[in-house]
Amino acid sequence: SAVISQKPSRDICQRGTSLTIQCQVDSQVTMMFWYRQQPGQSLTLIATANQGSEATYESGFVIDKFPISRPNLTFSTLTVSNMSPEDSSIYLCSATGGTEAFFGQGTRLTVV
Amino acid sequence: GQNIDQPTEMTATEGAIVQINCTYQTSGFNGLFWYQQHAGEAPTFLSYNVLDGLEEKGRFSSFLSRSKGYSYLLLKELQMKDSASYLCAVIDTGGFKTIFGAGTRLFVKA
Repeated sequence: SAVISQKPSRDICQRGTSLTIQCQVDSQVTMMFWYRQQPGQSLTLIATANQGSEATYESGFVIDKFPISRPNLTFSTLTVSNMSPEDSSIYLCSATGGTEAFFGQGTRLTVV
Repeated sequence: GQNIDQPTEMTATEGAIVQINCTYQTSGFNGLFWYQQHAGEAPTFLSYNVLDGLEEKGRFSSFLSRSKGYSYLLLKELQMKDSASYLCAVIDTGGFKTIFGAGTRLFVKA
């Protein structure tokens, strides 16, 4: 199994600013993903973080708003840019290494 | 398109058995996950099925029928701590991304 450390765990940010969320996995994993979860709802995939290349974004999500980096197999960042209150949500990093998938603890973001 | 359906809510009694169903229609299939998520916490991995049949792990079992696009999660000897949301998720072959259903909120009552 893999352990994922995600930080920050929560933040309150001013609108118009940006926040970078970090995700560190304790072992090499094949795939890393970023999800968003609105209160009381399920997870929505934002993008697949590709090592050494541009992330693959899902419909409705763009690189200018959610730039993602993955410089190596165990680390990825998600930036929420030019934030608005609509970006208030929980952001989750996920990693898979075969037949299991693991999540970070999540980042609870509130934009005021 | 991608579609994963599961009931919104279920209620069961402590000590009983409950079955949570999931049906899916996806462009590709490379396995199905079940997760448990308590309020305010990240999802926790429960099971993975890629072949047809039943996988048993303690009080939890998961079944898959690929031809029917159907899975269920079976919880036995229910405990109060099993009250949580249960998420069905399908791994798409395109990019191996995992697509989640809306989740089933299970309430276990005494």
